[in-house]
Amino acid sequence: EVQLVESGGGLVQPGRSLKLSCAASGFTFDDYAMHWVRQTPGKGLEWVSGISWNSGKKDYADSVKGRFTISRDNAKNSLYLQMTSLRTEDTALYFCAKDTISNWFRFFDSWGQGTRVTVSS
Amino acid sequence: DIQMTQSPSSLSASVGDRVTITCRASQGIRNFLAWYQQKPGKVPKLLIYGASTLQSGVPSRFSGSGSGTDFTLTISSLQPEDVATYYCQKYNSAPLTFGGGTKVEIK
Repeated sequence: EVQLVESGGGLVQPGRSLKLSCAASGFTFDDYAMHWVRQTPGKGLEWVSGISWNSGKKDYADSVKGRFTISRDNAKNSLYLQMTSLRTEDTALYFCAKDTISNWFRFFDSWGQGTRVTVSS
Repeated sequence: DIQMTQSPSSLSASVGDRVTITCRASQGIRNFLAWYQQKPGKVPKLLIYGASTLQSGVPSRFSGSGSGTDFTLTISSLQPEDVATYYCQKYNSAPLTFGGGTKVEIK
């Protein structure tokens, strides 16, 4: 059974940094691209970033480009999101999501439960 | 960037009704479209990909159609367990964009 467990969320002041982690199990982690997707309270879903199986391809939403960095450690079956220069509009529930292929970005067949990030002074 | 617009934003229908949700892309995306169901308090669940291919385990009352810019998700006979918000998502290229969602309730 695929399991994705996010951690690292919390309350942070605007302008500060935070690093999210996602621990994956139940599948061969380095066979798949991985993503971060966020959901703001009462609102919809927003894709944040994706990374291919070998980290050779990375992409970001315009809203986070230059501020967020996605990475993965296949030896540790882990996905990360380094968030810097945080803004109040980054407040959201952040999901780790598994793609269905390795080296392209398509859609998500497994999701974690999410970790909440609140950016507020 | 390509925008995804869903309609309606919410609907209320009776058990057994046929329900149709529309998703429109601002530019053509061929059939690179997925649909998700998010029940209250739960994480999104993949229903359909490739615009019309049902994900394994999804009830056959769900179906998808369309290509290019206009897509539909149909629930042939609405059930109480279908109460949820439904999202479309395009994946022809990054950014992977979601529609705004359609909240489905029982009348």
